Amino acid sequence: GESVGLHLPTLSVQEGDNSIINCAYSNSASDYFIWYKQESGKGPQFIIDIRSNMDKRQGQRVTVLLNKTVKHLSLQIAATQPGDSAVYFCAEANQAGTALIFGKGTTLSVSS
Amino acid sequence: DAGVTQSPTHLIKTRGQQVTLRCSPKSGHDTVSWYQQALGQGPQFIFQYYEEEERQRGNFPDRFSGHQFPNYSSELNVNALLLGDSALYLCASSPGLNTEAFFGQGTRLTVV
Repeated sequence: GESVGLHLPTLSVQEGDNSIINCAYSNSASDYFIWYKQESGKGPQFIIDIRSNMDKRQGQRVTVLLNKTVKHLSLQIAATQPGDSAVYFCAEANQAGTALIFGKGTTLSVSS
Repeated sequence: DAGVTQSPTHLIKTRGQQVTLRCSPKSGHDTVSWYQQALGQGPQFIFQYYEEEERQRGNFPDRFSGHQFPNYSSELNVNALLLGDSALYLCASSPGLNTEAFFGQGTRLTVV
């Protein structure tokens, strides 16, 4: 079946450090992935997406890496700030492209 | 652009009652999806609407139903509420299949 999971439930970093959040997916046919940030009491906020024909995509302070060989996705946040503290989810589109399948999330805590 | 808006933000209902949640998609988006997020979990796909029809459905009972209007806004209806239906209900809109999905702030439903 299709499923998406995250390696670590929590990650604690110091302000200014680089953060790496990992995600493993199970469906080798998946071709679209999204990272979301969710702050307490709010809906998920789109961060960055990547399609399977790419290995890397960069945004503002964020980079997503896709390793299709081992079905692994990662989100790198440069110069992490206290405002980056949130739960981060990776999501995988189902084969029809009609639904997103989410993992359980990684809670990022940034201390100053 | 107001983004995806949901109403109400909070709701308390009694077991056995019925509830209707509303969603207005982001401007330019014609596809609306609904997700249920239990505390500490990732969102789970309920269904997706496109051209006023249910295009795909997740693993949810028939008590969950929806509707999409000509202006692309959508409603989620849940009948015969159970205590286990207590969750954050999220609406996401997108401009098509396998494209970025933007979420609203959610409706927190509590069933007592």
